[in-house]
Amino acid sequence: QVQLQQWGAGLLKPSETLSLTCVVSGGSFSDYYWSWLRQSPGKGLEWFGEINHSGSATYNPSLKSRVTISVDSSKNHFSLKLTSMTAADTAVYYCARVRRADYYYYMDVWGSGTTVTVSS
Amino acid sequence: DIKLTQSPSSLSASVGDRVTITCRASQSISRYVNWYHQQPGRAPTVLIYAATSLEGGVPSRFNGSGSGTDFTLTISGLQPEDLGGYFCQQTYRTPWTFGQGTKVGIK
Repeated sequence: QVQLQQWGAGLLKPSETLSLTCVVSGGSFSDYYWSWLRQSPGKGLEWFGEINHSGSATYNPSLKSRVTISVDSSKNHFSLKLTSMTAADTAVYYCARVRRADYYYYMDVWGSGTTVTVSS
Repeated sequence: DIKLTQSPSSLSASVGDRVTITCRASQSISRYVNWYHQQPGRAPTVLIYAATSLEGGVPSRFNGSGSGTDFTLTISGLQPEDLGGYFCQQTYRTPWTFGQGTKVGIK
């Protein structure tokens, strides 16, 4: 049973950088792409991007200037960094596995979520 | 970005009712639509992918239909555990985007 366990700081001050890590256990790391998303009452679900085991990444253009998604295949984990945090970045952040069925993609396994609050 | 508009934004139904949620895309996206369910305080889980394919382990009372710009999720025989949020997602073109959600309550 594949599990995604995520961790990182949950309380940040404005202008700080968010760092989150997601560890994959119980399944293949190299056969999938891996994504980061967030959910807030104001913006709903928002996709940051995805990365594969070799580090090939695709980003959401609206966030690309502030986002870095990286991978450490030797440890079966991938990470998210989001710079210049503001109150508007307050949200629940999720990591997820991207499953590919033919040319169709969907998130079939999710982490439990990390609540991130930005406040001075 | 491709915009997805869901309706209704919320509904309340009785156990056993048939529930229908729609998702309209701002442009044609073939069948690149997925549906997720989110129970309160939990992460989303996938119900339907590629517009009509039922994810393994998901009860058969969930059905997806549609192609192009109009998509529907139907729950045939609402159960108490079905309460929560439902979201459509498009993976036709990045950035992948989601509908704003439909909140389903039990009467």
